[in-house]
Amino acid sequence: QVQLQESGPGLVKPSETLSLTCTVSGYSINSAYYWGWIRQPPGKGLEWIGSIYHSGSTYYNPSLKSRVSISVDTSKNQFSLTLTSMTAADAAVYYCVRHSAVVWFGDLLFGGFDIWGQGTMVTVSS
Amino acid sequence: QSVLTQPPSVSGAPGQTVTISCTGSSSNIGANYDVHWYQQLPGTAPKLLIYGNNNRASGVPDRFSGSKSGTSASLDITGLQADDEADYYCQSYDSSVSGSGAVFGGGTKLTVL
Repeated sequence: QVQLQESGPGLVKPSETLSLTCTVSGYSINSAYYWGWIRQPPGKGLEWIGSIYHSGSTYYNPSLKSRVSISVDTSKNQFSLTLTSMTAADAAVYYCVRHSAVVWFGDLLFGGFDIWGQGTMVTVSS
Repeated sequence: QSVLTQPPSVSGAPGQTVTISCTGSSSNIGANYDVHWYQQLPGTAPKLLIYGNNNRASGVPDRFSGSKSGTSASLDITGLQADDEADYYCQSYDSSVSGSGAVFGGGTKLTVL
């Protein structure tokens, strides 16, 4: 079955850059699905960070756009998240996800996030 | 503050029916964008329950149903069971002058009494 697995450091220093990778198994990333990142601060709700298509087209949360970059490596069936200038407010469980979508006049109309990784906790501390 | 508004908590006894509301605006649900619902059991990743307003995801029992009207959506859970106790989130798409993207409700904690 389709599985997503996040990997990366669990601890990042303030002002530094977070890099996470999601490895997709059981399904080709070169498919008609989008791949994204969602985070959840401890005890709080969910926040969409951004999504990417295998072609490299990216869509980002406007509130994070200046600090976020998502890339895809189809040869490794992986996609990655980079978030710069980390602060304590960025501490969260980071999930990688799969979702369907339709591009409509430049808008990415999301289907549901149907496959989730188990999540990885990222702490921001010196 | 979340773009979509959900009650922080709801509760019900086993066998009863509960409804979780999700209120948006003209830039998201009211603009006819789809609403999706997720269940998050304690300590686990969220799981897709309902997609496209009223379609159950694979393996989801028919005790769960979704609906949408105007600027709001609802998740109904009938025949409450103890293992329905979880956090529930609605999600849609928001398009405004400040940008666009996927948005979530703040989540609703369901307690089975």
